[in-house]
Amino acid sequence: DTGVSQDPRHKITKRGQNVTFRCDPISEHNRLYWYRQTLGQGPEFLTYFQNEAQLEKSRLLSDRFSAERPKGSFSTLEIQRTEQGDSAMYLCASSSSFSLPQHFGDGTRLSIL
Amino acid sequence: QKEVEQNSGPLSVPEGAIASLNCTYSDRGSQSFFWYRQYSGKSPELIMSIYSNGDKEDGRFTAQLNKASQYVSLLIRDSQPSDSATYLCAVIKAAGNKLTFGGGTRVLVKP
Repeated sequence: DTGVSQDPRHKITKRGQNVTFRCDPISEHNRLYWYRQTLGQGPEFLTYFQNEAQLEKSRLLSDRFSAERPKGSFSTLEIQRTEQGDSAMYLCASSSSFSLPQHFGDGTRLSIL
Repeated sequence: QKEVEQNSGPLSVPEGAIASLNCTYSDRGSQSFFWYRQYSGKSPELIMSIYSNGDKEDGRFTAQLNKASQYVSLLIRDSQPSDSATYLCAVIKAAGNKLTFGGGTRVLVKP
């Protein structure tokens, strides 16, 4: 069990640029989640995959956001035309069942200049 | 009303004392409850899960769940300076998959 891996750990970009984050879940976990956390707040749900199917998306996930999990293994989260308000920690988590604990990766901290 | 509410703190406790953290939730059908610890700049780390009414103990941590009162708590016994962190309460609602988090309680353990 190597844990959930996220890459990159930090991303600094200029407003208007596109960014892509990657998450590798725990190998036997078929459920993968993306959350976003801003300073002083708890994480907020963005989207959820079961295997390769994206089963739920938050209203927070605007048209500029897209997530994929093409082979049911790793996932990518892309933000197009980044805005200042996108600055946050992007967290990926995985679990093996809907009610079992979700384990988080180290997160990707996005800073928009 | 927020779906999951926690006192933001800081909760200041002397080393060796018991820290008591509270969390209330609004969805009566919530079925799974979790406590995560988060150090500054780090990601949440699971410390406890609880699914049925009553107490669940794991080392120095005890989680308590009262579904009738829609209340879940965490006790940290023999608090250590290394316990200084933000503690996040999270629930999974009925027929749901995602975690809904409270805003977290910041705990400071003073030597």
